[in-house]
Amino acid sequence: SAVISQKPSRDICQRGTSLTIQCQVDSQVTMMFWYRQQPGQSLTLIATANQGSEATYESGFVIDKFPISRPNLTFSTLTVSNMSPEDSSIYLCSSDRADRSYNEQFFGPGTRLTVL
Amino acid sequence: QKEVEQNSGPLSVPEGAIASLNCTYSDRGSQSFFWYRQYSGKSPELIMSIYSNGDKEDGRFTAQLNKASQYVSLLIRDSQPSDSATYLCAVNLGGYNKLIFGAGTRLAVHP
Repeated sequence: SAVISQKPSRDICQRGTSLTIQCQVDSQVTMMFWYRQQPGQSLTLIATANQGSEATYESGFVIDKFPISRPNLTFSTLTVSNMSPEDSSIYLCSSDRADRSYNEQFFGPGTRLTVL
Repeated sequence: QKEVEQNSGPLSVPEGAIASLNCTYSDRGSQSFFWYRQYSGKSPELIMSIYSNGDKEDGRFTAQLNKASQYVSLLIRDSQPSDSATYLCAVNLGGYNKLIFGAGTRLAVHP
C-alpha cells in the first residue's frame, strides 16, 4: 500500500487561529482526499483534491474554512481556518493508488487537532 | 442522502469463534465496497475490498456481497484478541471517486 505521512501528528491551537496540515505520499497518485473524524464518530469526507484543479468540497464544507492545495502528484495541504473548539477532530488524508484496484484508498496516520 | 448503516456494537465474541459484521447501503448504484479496521488512536487500515456478488476470502477474513439485498458482510474466522477494533464499512458510489463510511462496529474478542 502507499506510504502516507502527515504533519503535524497533533497540535493544540487557540480559537481564531489557523493550522495547515501537510500530507505526503511516497508515489505519484491521482486523487487525494481529506477526511474529518470527530471524537467517537466515523469518517466524513471534506474534499477531494486533484492536481492542477480546484478541490471538490462536500456538502457542509467550504473553501474559505478548509482551503486545500495540491501542487503536485505527491503532496497536499489542508488548512483549518479561524478555528473554534468544534473543529477539534482528527484530520486524515488518503489517496488511491494507480497499481491497486479501483477506488481503494489508503490513509495517513492522521492529525489530532485540539482547539481551546 | 446516501447512507451506509452498521450496528455500532460492541460485538463480543470469544477467542476462536467467528465474528460476523454486517453493513447495508442505500444507493443501488454503488459499485465497490471496503472493510477497514481501525484500532483506537490509529487511522483506518484497508483489510478487504469486494466488487462482485459472492464471497471473497483472504486468510481469516471473508467478505460477502449481495447487491440485490444491498448488503455486505465481513466474517473473521478464528477470532483473536488482536482483532479487537472498530470495523468500518465503506461504499464507493457509482461514477464518483469517493467513499461513504458507516459509523463502524466495535468488535471485542475476549480470551
